Amino acid sequence: AQSVAQPEDQVNVAEGNPLTVKCTYSVSGNPYLFWYVQYPNRGLQFLLKYITGDNLVKGSYGFEAEFNKSQTSFHLKKPSALVSDSALYFCAVRDRNSGYALNFGKGTSLLVTP
Amino acid sequence: SAVISQKPSRDICQRGTSLTIQCQVDSQVTMMFWYRQQPGQSLTLIATANQGSEATYESGFVIDKFPISRPNLTFSTLTVSNMSPEDSSIYLCSVVSGLAGGSGANVLTFGAGSRLTVL
Repeated sequence: AQSVAQPEDQVNVAEGNPLTVKCTYSVSGNPYLFWYVQYPNRGLQFLLKYITGDNLVKGSYGFEAEFNKSQTSFHLKKPSALVSDSALYFCAVRDRNSGYALNFGKGTSLLVTP
Repeated sequence: SAVISQKPSRDICQRGTSLTIQCQVDSQVTMMFWYRQQPGQSLTLIATANQGSEATYESGFVIDKFPISRPNLTFSTLTVSNMSPEDSSIYLCSVVSGLAGGSGANVLTFGAGSRLTVL
């Protein structure tokens, strides 16, 4: 079975400060890991993914994520937050042996204040 | 990546009625997925809809409640039958771009969702 945990319901950060949104995962094999963002009244937008190789993955809008196999984590980061980054962020995992559907975490609401 | 259109974008329905949600993709895709996002919750996979075969439902979801059609490689519908207030959710269609043979690393693309409120 595969699962994703996002331990924080909400993350608050001041504009210009670095942000981290946490994600840990559990899969039976090697994972594919994804981050999506959901703005109000809009669908999910893909940010980045980890497949293999370099543990630091760079994605859209200046976001990056670090894959840590020993800690089974895939935290989302951005060096300098913008107010427009305020949204709901979902971490998702796909076991390489279990098809194409994604298993999502419960989401973390990011609030960036001016 | 594929562009997905969902209809309706939102609706208010009466208890006991049924509503069909349409998902139109601008390119042919083999796999389509239907997800539910209940208020304040994460996304839960309802079923996988593959053209030419019966949909595959996840645990807790049954065909009588959520019948799915997949008549061709660019279109699918999800019906929410005999609705109750507990069915109030956002229903999202998603696809893996392209036809079969793609990598499991492929990204899922999502429609904007259909927000249903059941009174």
